[in-house]
Amino acid sequence: AQSVTQPDIHITVSEGASLELRCNYSYGATPYLFWYVQSPGQGLQLLLKYFSGDTLVQGIKGFEAEFKRSQSSFNLRKPSVHWSDAAEYFCAVGARNQGGKLIFGQGTELSVKP
Amino acid sequence: GAGVSQSPRYKVAKRGQDVALRCDPISGHVSLFWYQQALGQGPEFLTYFQNEAQLDKSGLPSDRFFAERPEGSVSTLKIQRTQQEDSAVYLCASSRTEGRQPQHFGDGTRLSIL
Repeated sequence: AQSVTQPDIHITVSEGASLELRCNYSYGATPYLFWYVQSPGQGLQLLLKYFSGDTLVQGIKGFEAEFKRSQSSFNLRKPSVHWSDAAEYFCAVGARNQGGKLIFGQGTELSVKP
Repeated sequence: GAGVSQSPRYKVAKRGQDVALRCDPISGHVSLFWYQQALGQGPEFLTYFQNEAQLDKSGLPSDRFFAERPEGSVSTLKIQRTQQEDSAVYLCASSRTEGRQPQHFGDGTRLSIL
């Protein structure tokens, strides 16, 4: 069965420090991969996506993610975190042959210390 | 409109009442998805439309849940005889086509069943 695991429920980093949020997936083939961010009371905003090709993808707000097939991972990174990055982050797998429905991880809540 | 619009933003109902949640997708978007997000969890897929056709309803939790998109644009998610476990945020998303196209999310409807 398809699944997504985000091992870290809550992460706290200092402003200006680097960030890596982990995501592991289980899927029978190469999936579509996404990272979304959700602020309180808001919907989900797409940060970046991977479909094929270059395994390092760039997104909005200075985020990037690297697809590693051998590790079934798609970790999100940012070199320098800003206070406004505090939010909930979701990794998702898109099923290629099921209309593109998304399977989400449980999310990682990011707190930023001044 | 510019984005996916959901109404109402908040809905409080007594157990046993019927509720209807509305989603206005981005104009021209073919695919429409409904997700349920319980408190502290990632969104979970409910159902998927391509134009007016409901192609996947495998995520609907019970036959009390019903969704429609009669003209291929606005969609309504109806829950009959609501129960306390139906309390959640219901998210709607749309995309231009299926699969590779990223999904754009609305801000959700927060449903509370008393």
